Amino acid sequence: ETGVTQTPRHLVMGMTNKKSLKCEQHLGHNAMYWYKQSAKKPLELMFVYSLEERVENNSVPSRFSPECPNSSHLFLHLHTLQPEDSALYLCASSQVSLRGTYNSPLHFGNGTRLTVT
Amino acid sequence: QQQVKQSPQSLIVQKGGISIINCAYENTAFDYFPWYQQFPGKGPALLIAIRPDVSEKKEGRFTISFNKSAKQFSLHIMDSQPGDSATYFCAASGGGSNYKLTFGKGTLLTVNP
Repeated sequence: ETGVTQTPRHLVMGMTNKKSLKCEQHLGHNAMYWYKQSAKKPLELMFVYSLEERVENNSVPSRFSPECPNSSHLFLHLHTLQPEDSALYLCASSQVSLRGTYNSPLHFGNGTRLTVT
Repeated sequence: QQQVKQSPQSLIVQKGGISIINCAYENTAFDYFPWYQQFPGKGPALLIAIRPDVSEKKEGRFTISFNKSAKQFSLHIMDSQPGDSATYFCAASGGGSNYKLTFGKGTLLTVNP
């Protein structure tokens, strides 16, 4: 059973809706990530939070808004999305050192399959 | 710009055969090279990883071969089984952003019984 839990598993939303994706990690890690997985494309890193501070914002459109209230929880707030935003959104966590190096592999959740109609 | 190129896109192997997936990278600062395995409906999970101080790492039926001068690394699955059917991703990280993995596009492996 994964130590990273994502809800909901599936989400269908219209372009004018506002919704949020939730991620919770039970591994005691200090870094959390949002990735976007689209067919036939590499996993795209969207955001990274390390020690609850956002350290990476990979040129993601402002219609995606992350929130990390503590080291165990991560949200992705969605509003006015486009059909091309339909994808699998993966949350991950890891342990990083103060220098920003990996101390543990990335652990992924099972993702939220998002469909924008 | 894709910094990690993975091939082939898909691969069909008979049970008991050897599956080989290749990756090439451009950034010479990369110093950590993991492979992830993803089953349908699941998130990717770490399979095996290597650092450039060794040329090969083996864990059970899975082996990573690493060629630093060619900037290439590959995954070999010996005695492939139907349960190995999944999508495999290579990745790399290093330099100033060690926490950030750059992934290949993935290889869909099908092992026929």
